[in-house]
Amino acid sequence: SAVISQKPSRDICQRGTSLTIQCQVDSQVTMMFWYRQQPGQSLTLIATANQGSEATYESGFVIDKFPISRPNLTFSTLTVSNMSPEDSSIYLCSVEAPGAVNTGELFFGEGSRLTVL
Amino acid sequence: QKEVEQDPGPLSVPEGAIVSLNCTYSNSAFQYFMWYRQYSRKGPELLMYTYSSGNKEDGRFTAQVDKSSKYISLFIRDSQPSDSATYLCAMSHTGGFKTIFGAGTRLFVKA
Repeated sequence: SAVISQKPSRDICQRGTSLTIQCQVDSQVTMMFWYRQQPGQSLTLIATANQGSEATYESGFVIDKFPISRPNLTFSTLTVSNMSPEDSSIYLCSVEAPGAVNTGELFFGEGSRLTVL
Repeated sequence: QKEVEQDPGPLSVPEGAIVSLNCTYSNSAFQYFMWYRQYSRKGPELLMYTYSSGNKEDGRFTAQVDKSSKYISLFIRDSQPSDSATYLCAMSHTGGFKTIFGAGTRLFVKA
């Protein structure tokens, strides 16, 4: 298994500000994934972060709004920029299960619950 | 049409009941099928994983995949209050990594 730590666990932010969420994994992983979970909706993939390259964003998500860093094989950050109330959501970091390649078996962090006023 | 459809519930059952949770999907390329359990204010945890069609059993949990009908199920036997959580189905295929999740079904097991 993989242990994933996310910070902050929750935050309340003002409209127009930015917040950076950190994700630390207890083992080296190739890909890290950032998901958004809005109330009553399914998990939506924001982007895939590979170490040493630009993150790959899914349709509807752009780098200017959700810049991602991946400085090494155990750490990543997601920034939610110029926040609006519509960005209120749970943001989740995840990695593939050890030995699982492109099978969808994922481990998740506890999530960062963001409320934008 | 969503790629994965899942009834959000809530589903409320008495302790000891057999629970059936289901998802339908539209993409016939999906080959990997997962069920995740998510407790309140926690991240999802992988509960069951199945490749292609068939059944898989793990303790009180049984996962079924019927690719011909594009239908997957999770059965929970002898349900316990500790099973109260949101259950998310998920699926992916090898054509390009992306896991698609259902919206999740909220389950309440009453003591």
